Amino acid sequence: KQEVTQIPAALSVPEGENLVLNCSFTDSAIYNLQWFRQDPGKGLTSLLLIQSSQREQTSGRLNASLDKSSGRSTLYIAASQPGDSATYLCAVRSGNAGNMLTFGGGTRLMVKP
Amino acid sequence: DAGITQSPRHKVTETGTPVTLRCHQTENHRYMYWYRQDPGHGLRLIHYSYGVKDTDKGEVSDGYSVSRSKTEDFLLTLESATSSQTSVYFCAIWAGQSNQPQHFGDGTRLSIL
Repeated sequence: KQEVTQIPAALSVPEGENLVLNCSFTDSAIYNLQWFRQDPGKGLTSLLLIQSSQREQTSGRLNASLDKSSGRSTLYIAASQPGDSATYLCAVRSGNAGNMLTFGGGTRLMVKP
Repeated sequence: DAGITQSPRHKVTETGTPVTLRCHQTENHRYMYWYRQDPGHGLRLIHYSYGVKDTDKGEVSDGYSVSRSKTEDFLLTLESATSSQTSVYFCAIWAGQSNQPQHFGDGTRLSIL
């Protein structure tokens, strides 16, 4: 059974810092990995998707990497801003049919002005 | 934004009453999902559908049933609501290709008194 872990569970940084969020998974036979952002009281917004054959994806100040063999992904946020404050979730698509996502517990990020 | 509409957005009801939540999509995606999100438990899959009239159970399906009579609509029913089903419920859709992200609705906050 796939298990996904995110470390740290919470992070507080001053504005302007570059930061890294970590995600690890137990079964390397994945189809893709997706990073989401969730604001309080809101739904999940898809940030980046990395297919199993890819090593990284970039969108603006966000860069996600994938090391399938070691079961790890990182989300790098450059020059953090208070508006980046949210919970970040990673999820992996795996299993025989590849039709379900397994979610990590999330990292709650606070960027202080 | 992906065209996903959940209704109602908020509902308060009493123990023992039936409750139906609706998810409507305008993307013509094959897969639709119902999750619940609770503090300390993260996102957990309740049921999902892989086509009209094709559904399967997730990890927390007890007490819930689903129906999908049209591609665009996926209903979640609590036959006899209990206080343990107080939660935030999210619908999600996926096209079915590994290069496509899964998208989420804005959620339904359900309180059972």
